[in-house]
Amino acid sequence: NAGVTQTPKFRILKIGQSMTLQCTQDMNHNYMYWYRQDPGMGLKLIYYSVGAGITDKGEVPNGYNVSRSTTEDFPLRLELAAPSQTSVYFCASRGTGTGWAFFGQGTRLTVV
Amino acid sequence: GQQLNQSPQSMFIQEGEDVSMNCTSSSIFNTWLWYKQDPGEGPVLLIALYKAGELTSNGRLTAQFGITRKDSFLNISASIPSDVGIYFCAGDSGGSNYKLTFGKGTLLTVNP
Repeated sequence: NAGVTQTPKFRILKIGQSMTLQCTQDMNHNYMYWYRQDPGMGLKLIYYSVGAGITDKGEVPNGYNVSRSTTEDFPLRLELAAPSQTSVYFCASRGTGTGWAFFGQGTRLTVV
Repeated sequence: GQQLNQSPQSMFIQEGEDVSMNCTSSSIFNTWLWYKQDPGEGPVLLIALYKAGELTSNGRLTAQFGITRKDSFLNISASIPSDVGIYFCAGDSGGSNYKLTFGKGTLLTVNP
């Protein structure tokens, strides 16, 4: 099993550009999450989804959008990239009844 | 929102030493989790705790779910160089969205 797969692994964006961070999981998990990790700050929840067609805001949603058209995929969209969005982004998924989330390997994004 | 205070922020130890880190919360959690993050990778689950007072081991790692449900600790015995990384605690307060709250992490350096 691949688990949670994120693409790309690295990306450099110019201010104002847009991009989509891809996340897919093959564990048939209902719950999926996007986190950002800044140095010394832990993981902050951006958006989450409890199932296909259902998404909700986390702690730091401004500047991002998500969609969940299938159980497997949960892309994160940045519409107008800003330097404050320079970070490492992690996608995670979790099955119903399990206490823990499985993480992807992360996307390191730099906005210049 | 919920806050998790994780300490210490960083530790520098010699190979063979024991390590202890802890997390405290302002509110009650139903589940406590401990993750490890290697450089350039996503967090990987080490130990999951589900009941107040529970003490669980995974090899050289031991973690406990505090009686008050507001704290947890992680001990690593006889540290080795591959223990280097960032250790995160995470708590789940329950509810239908299964959101996790993360501590800011403890950076562990092990000198051979």
